[in-house]
Amino acid sequence: GAGVSQTPSNKVTEKGKYVELRCDPISGHTALYWYRQSLGQGPEFLIYFQGTGAADDSGLPNDRFFAVRPEGSVSTLKIQRTERGDSAVYLCASSLGGPSTDTQYFGPGTRLTVL
Amino acid sequence: GQQLNQSPQSMFIQEGEDVSMNCTSSSIFNTWLWYKQEPGEGPVLLIALYKAGELTSNGRLTAQFGITRKDSFLNISASIPSDVGIYFCAGQPGGANNLFFGTGTRLTVIP
Repeated sequence: GAGVSQTPSNKVTEKGKYVELRCDPISGHTALYWYRQSLGQGPEFLIYFQGTGAADDSGLPNDRFFAVRPEGSVSTLKIQRTERGDSAVYLCASSLGGPSTDTQYFGPGTRLTVL
Repeated sequence: GQQLNQSPQSMFIQEGEDVSMNCTSSSIFNTWLWYKQEPGEGPVLLIALYKAGELTSNGRLTAQFGITRKDSFLNISASIPSDVGIYFCAGQPGGANNLFFGTGTRLTVIP
């Protein structure tokens, strides 16, 4: 079946603007994760959803970052008042069940550039 | 957060050679994973390890979960050009919801 999809694939915005990044997980996967990958680094955890609720948002860097998953499927990562340091690839992953038992499958990412 | 040290940072090898890379952690993990990432793509899982001492193969790839639970290695035998990419180790502590990734090993295979 289809894998994790993310839109847009690229997003260029100006400092101070608001952006939304979308993730469509694999159908039937209850767990969804957002990671951020800076150039030359491995992905860093941002937030984890189990169903509709954010079970762990300990990786969000500050209150400009927010994510929702209102129907337990598609998720949107929202960044307010973007800063140049927010430039990175934002990866979404999903797993069938919880994080301790099931493999996380990653999408291709959204490359965000803040000018 | 957890610190994962992955080495080497990059490797240039001839096609047909074997490759070895490793990852060490400052703390214990319950799960070790190895991913490969190609340009413009997300990481793709290669091998998952769940028990200390476990040795697992996937085709030409072999990975081991260290006895101390603080390290893992990945070997690739008889490399081919399509092995090119960045290889990441990732670890998951017990009870954690997320993965902690290493900084990656960039592999270049010269035909």
